[in-house]
Amino acid sequence: NAGVTQTPKFQVLKTGQSMTLQCAQDMNHNSMYWYRQDPGMGLRLIYYSASEGTTDKGEVPNGYNVSRLNKREFSLRLESAAPSQTSVYFCASEGRNLYGYTFGSGTRLTVV
Amino acid sequence: SQQGEEDPQALSIQEGENATMNCSYKTSINNLQWYRQNSGRGLVHLILIRSNEREKHSGRLRVTLDTSKKSSSLLITASRAADTASYFCTTGANSKLTFGKGITLSVRP
Repeated sequence: NAGVTQTPKFQVLKTGQSMTLQCAQDMNHNSMYWYRQDPGMGLRLIYYSASEGTTDKGEVPNGYNVSRLNKREFSLRLESAAPSQTSVYFCASEGRNLYGYTFGSGTRLTVV
Repeated sequence: SQQGEEDPQALSIQEGENATMNCSYKTSINNLQWYRQNSGRGLVHLILIRSNEREKHSGRLRVTLDTSKKSSSLLITASRAADTASYFCTTGANSKLTFGKGITLSVRP
């Protein structure tokens, strides 16, 4: 099925642990994005990649790093997880034709 | 920031009724998009309206855009319980979309 695949779907981390959230799309899209969504708030952009080999900070990049491994894959890394990073993380991609973003189903991360 | 501001924050209607949701924005836009998010899921793109368009239809959805008032509305006709979701509008220059808190629509059976 074409779309955006995120792994894992759920994760519990202890404070200070590290982990990488994986995202892959099979639609040959150039642009990819990472958002976080907290209760009662909209989605906030963490990082984005306009094309393979480029990444840029979004609204809330602190505490995160990203890698655009190739055109398909865009990963988000938490080097030292903090309880404030407890959230739902969404990856999205967009092609050139401006038909909107395609979102993954999300990763629910809890940091204890 | 290019996010839209949705109004009302919450809307509860009876199945079969129409639901109207509004969005306002502050800067010039290339296009405006509406998304739906069902509980526990990712956002799904519903419709995109370009700045030179005034109205667009997709199935039971009707979107209008008034660039002079910097506002848009999303009308869902003959609502169904399955339309229960959060709805977001967004405008994005350079394709970097930002999203507000959205509108929570509840459709009662």
